[in-house]
Parts: sequence; structure tokens; C-alpha cells
Amino acid sequence: DAKTTQPNSMESNEEEPVHLPCNHSTISGTDYIHWYRQLPSQGPEYVIHGLTSNVNNRMASLAIAEDRKSSTLILHRATLRDAAVYYCILETGNTPLVFGKGTRLSVIA
Amino acid sequence: DTAVSQTPKYLVTQMGNDKSIKCEQNLGHDTMYWYKQDSKKFLKIMFSYNNKELIINETVPNRFSPKSPDKAHLNLHINSLELGDSAVYFCASSQDWVGVVFQFFGPGTRLTVL
Repeated sequence: DAKTTQPNSMESNEEEPVHLPCNHSTISGTDYIHWYRQLPSQGPEYVIHGLTSNVNNRMASLAIAEDRKSSTLILHRATLRDAAVYYCILETGNTPLVFGKGTRLSVIA
Repeated sequence: DTAVSQTPKYLVTQMGNDKSIKCEQNLGHDTMYWYKQDSKKFLKIMFSYNNKELIINETVPNRFSPKSPDKAHLNLHINSLELGDSAVYFCASSQDWVGVVFQFFGPGTRLTVL
């Protein structure tokens, strides 16, 4: 039970921003929101995580709703190399990550 | 240097055979995992070891037996392989299994059972 809901797929033009949404209405106060992505024929890789505040790193930004029931992963300028399946995961701290179906992002040149 | 490595990358074998997949991490992590990704692309946890001790064993057939000779290695042995075992198997590691956990994944082993 992944506890998150994401669109099955999204499409973006190259060099445009991409907003990947995730709903997690049953999130508890101590759950962290993690984003991983899986490039074709590779293992998943960490992208970003947050608890309550918005977060930025070199790969992406994470915008977390005030009620924490949803979040958005933002890729500021999509490149062809960003085409992947993006997973939004709630991490409780003492269980392994539970991966849902994720969102398959296609980037069009 | 590869953080989490798996061997072999591809494994093709006949039904009924026994095979092993090896995993090594050079990150100094205490916790290691095995995940299975089936043809529908669902990634499911199978096992988790912390400091060589089994801490998570999901509903996996007894034919699957993980072995951790030391903290840096977690091997997966599969007996009497079945067609349904065909999948990509990912090894992963994390510093610990409590607190905020960041998992590092290996490149995967594609197992094909004929």
C-alpha cells in the first residue's frame, strides 16, 4: 500500500518546467515525503525529500502543501535525460520505502 | 566507484535450477535490501538486513534465501526457479533503517526463467 496517488503519465517539452503532483491525504505528522526516479534500465535514485517546508536541491524543488496532503516535484528545465518514472513515497522511518506505480515522464525534444 | 553493485547483470536459466545474485555496497551502510520489479514494473520489497541480521521478510516463498556474510554484502539465492520468478531484482542499501532513510540502489539483475 503506497499511500500516495500520482498520475500515470505526463509529458513535457524540453527546457520547460515540469510539475509532478502527488496526493497523500493520509500522511501522518512524522511521515517524510520522498521522491525517487527510475531512469530506463536503471535502479531508482533519490531525488529530494521534505517534511513540511519547501526544499530545493541541484536536481529539483519540492513544494509541500500547507496541510501536507499533497506535494509537487518541480523540475525547472526538463531535459531528455529527465525522462523517467518518478515515485512519490511516504517514509515512516522504520520501514523500507514502498514504491507505487509512479508517474512516467516523457520529455519531447 | 560504483556504490551498490550487483552481479550478474543478466541471468537466463531453466526452470528448476538454483541460482544466486550477489550484491555489494561500498558506502559503509548498515542496512541492505532486496527488491523485485516484475513485468508490470511494480517494485516490491523482499528482504531487509541490518548489520547482517534479517529485519524484514515480506511474503516471499521459502525458495528465496538471502545471505549476508558481512555488512557490505547481501546475496540472494533462489532454489527451484519458476517462470514467475522472472523479473528484475534490485539490491539497495541505506545508512540505517530508522530515522530518515535514503536508499541507494544497484543497477539491477534481470532474471529470465525459461
